[in-house]
Amino acid sequence: AQSVTQLGSHVSVSEGALVLLRCNYSSSVPPYLFWYVQYPNQGLQLLLKYTSAATLVKGINGFEAEFKKSETSFHLTKPSAHMSDAAEYFCAVSDSSGNTGKLIFGQGTTLQVKP
Amino acid sequence: KAGVTQTPRYLIKTRGQQVTLSCSPISGHRSVSWYQQTPGQGLQFLFEYFSETQRNKGNFPGRFSGRQFSNSRSEMNVSTLELGDSALYLCASSTGTGPEQYFGPGTRLTVT
Repeated sequence: AQSVTQLGSHVSVSEGALVLLRCNYSSSVPPYLFWYVQYPNQGLQLLLKYTSAATLVKGINGFEAEFKKSETSFHLTKPSAHMSDAAEYFCAVSDSSGNTGKLIFGQGTTLQVKP
Repeated sequence: KAGVTQTPRYLIKTRGQQVTLSCSPISGHRSVSWYQQTPGQGLQFLFEYFSETQRNKGNFPGRFSGRQFSNSRSEMNVSTLELGDSALYLCASSTGTGPEQYFGPGTRLTVT
């Protein structure tokens, strides 16, 4: 069965500092992987996706993630945090067929950005 | 293109009642998935509809049901509401042939 683990339910960084949000997955087949962001009282916005092409994936708002099969990881990074990045971030996995309509989510990481 | 829309945005219901939530996917998308989000359980998959047929189902009781219409709009129904059904219900739209999903703003259901 597929699963996703996000290390750290809460991450705090200073404005301008590196953002690193960790995600490890478990999947018996090559996965599709996603990062979503959720602002208060809103739905989820797709930040980026890995679908077995390039292992370094660039997304919106300056975020990127690297797929490392050997480490079963898909960590999200951003070189310089902005106040507007404060939100909850979810890592998700789908099976390689990609057409089951089912995403399995991690528990989420709340990012706090301090001025 | 317009995004995914969900109505209503907020609902307050009493235990034992039933509720229907609506979702309109992105134009051209044929798949709609539903998720429940709670502080304790996080985001959990309810079911997916593709071309008016339920294609996948999560581990929720039969009180949770859904349907999809020929225009791809979907409704979710919860009967005999329980306090634990209070949650944000999110609908996600996709083409149905690719993995990425696009989410609506959600319906916040409060059961009292």
